[in-house]
Amino acid sequence: DAKTTQPPSMDCAEGRAANLPCNHSTISGNEYVYWYRQIHSQGPQYIIHGLKNNETNEMASLIITEDRKSSTLILPHATLRDTAVYYCIVRGGGGGKLIFGQGTELSVKP
Amino acid sequence: GAGVSQSPRYKVTKRGQDVALRCDPISGHVSLYWYRQALGQGPEFLTYFNYEAQQDKSGLPNDRFSAERPEGSISTLTIQRTEQRDSAMYRCASSLQPGLAGVGASTDTQYFGPGTRLTVL
Repeated sequence: DAKTTQPPSMDCAEGRAANLPCNHSTISGNEYVYWYRQIHSQGPQYIIHGLKNNETNEMASLIITEDRKSSTLILPHATLRDTAVYYCIVRGGGGGKLIFGQGTELSVKP
Repeated sequence: GAGVSQSPRYKVTKRGQDVALRCDPISGHVSLYWYRQALGQGPEFLTYFNYEAQQDKSGLPNDRFSAERPEGSISTLTIQRTEQRDSAMYRCASSLQPGLAGVGASTDTQYFGPGTRLTVL
């Protein structure tokens, strides 16, 4: 599975969009980009995933560059409850383990 | 409840004792995963099952760690002769299917339980 690189921390003002970047330059053609987040001491929570097209759901949007070497998770209107560690994970669609890196610690401030 | 449950939530044991951690996945979920998480770190994969078959145990750190899922539902992670370095949060997750049913599907979404905090004295 391809390795990902994320900034260790980011701040965002409440109500503004939070844009979390992820580099995955070694991603292969059949690998997907997944995002999970972990709020405080809770278990990780799935957010969204995509292959090459941009994706949107009720939680977030995922923008994947055309060369698929990087992506951005967008929380359109961040709230204080979005404060969490966000993990970008690259994995094949066949299932199996998730490899969590260090993630980005997002702090949403009032 | 409808989510993944784990028991016990907290376990304190003395070095050298064996411990068994239980995971009850979401009903009907084919795949079950075990992870370990140290403080301030992301979860680290240990092993996973599809039904009762152990598919990947590459993350088990040594032969003191073992896991089973005999009837394809509840799973037990056993640590023999515990050591202080085994202290961590042990998390279980389950997914409906092992993989994606299609690009737009989320059949492989892993739902995590609350974890078992293991402390070895």
